[in-house]
Amino acid sequence: DIQMTQSPSSLSASVGDRVTITCQASQDISNYLNWYQQKPGKAPKLLIYDASNLETGVPSRFSGSGSGTDFTFTISSLQPEDIATYYCQQYDNLPPAFGGGTKVEIK
Amino acid sequence: EVQLVESGGGLVQPGGSLRLSCSASGFTFSSYAMHWVRQAPGKGLEYVSAISSNGGSTYYADSVKGRFTISRDNSKNTLYLQMSSLRAEDTAVYYCVKDGGIAARPGVFDYWGQGTLVTVSS
Repeated sequence: DIQMTQSPSSLSASVGDRVTITCQASQDISNYLNWYQQKPGKAPKLLIYDASNLETGVPSRFSGSGSGTDFTFTISSLQPEDIATYYCQQYDNLPPAFGGGTKVEIK
Repeated sequence: EVQLVESGGGLVQPGGSLRLSCSASGFTFSSYAMHWVRQAPGKGLEYVSAISSNGGSTYYADSVKGRFTISRDNSKNTLYLQMSSLRAEDTAVYYCVKDGGIAARPGVFDYWGQGTLVTVSS
């Protein structure tokens, strides 16, 4: 099975800061990588699919990049409503696998 | 508007069984693969199972293989997860998830239900 390693596991940043989360796959997954946002008590929400494609309706301050084994998720200007846990997920091989999550908090 | 509404969760004893249902609306249910993903309390997301659009193909994570059965009734727009031989480690919120059908292969989860809590405890 493919393992997904996310870092950091948590971070604290100020409103307006640029926030970056990384995700590393244990083997080449091409661009079969998605990013989700989960707010407390809510279901996850798809933000980015295929490494860099913004899901319809998602604000443009969210972006993703990378291919192969190394991927990056960025919030260009952190907003109070972005407080959540973010997960990467690969779907190159079964089973689809999620990273451990990154909890984003406001400083 | 896409809606996925899970039901059937609750408290069950170890070794017991439970059937989860997911009622889907707002899209052509029979055209999309569907999935179950779970989340133990305070933990991350874990993939459970998938079923193809016509129900002809299924997949299970190793952790539930032989104990869980996924199925669907396209005439009722409903997805199911039959769970048996339940263990304490199966305690989690179970999410019904629609596949986006965006990519060449399943695995983009574009809509999620609100989840139903399954607690396995004596």
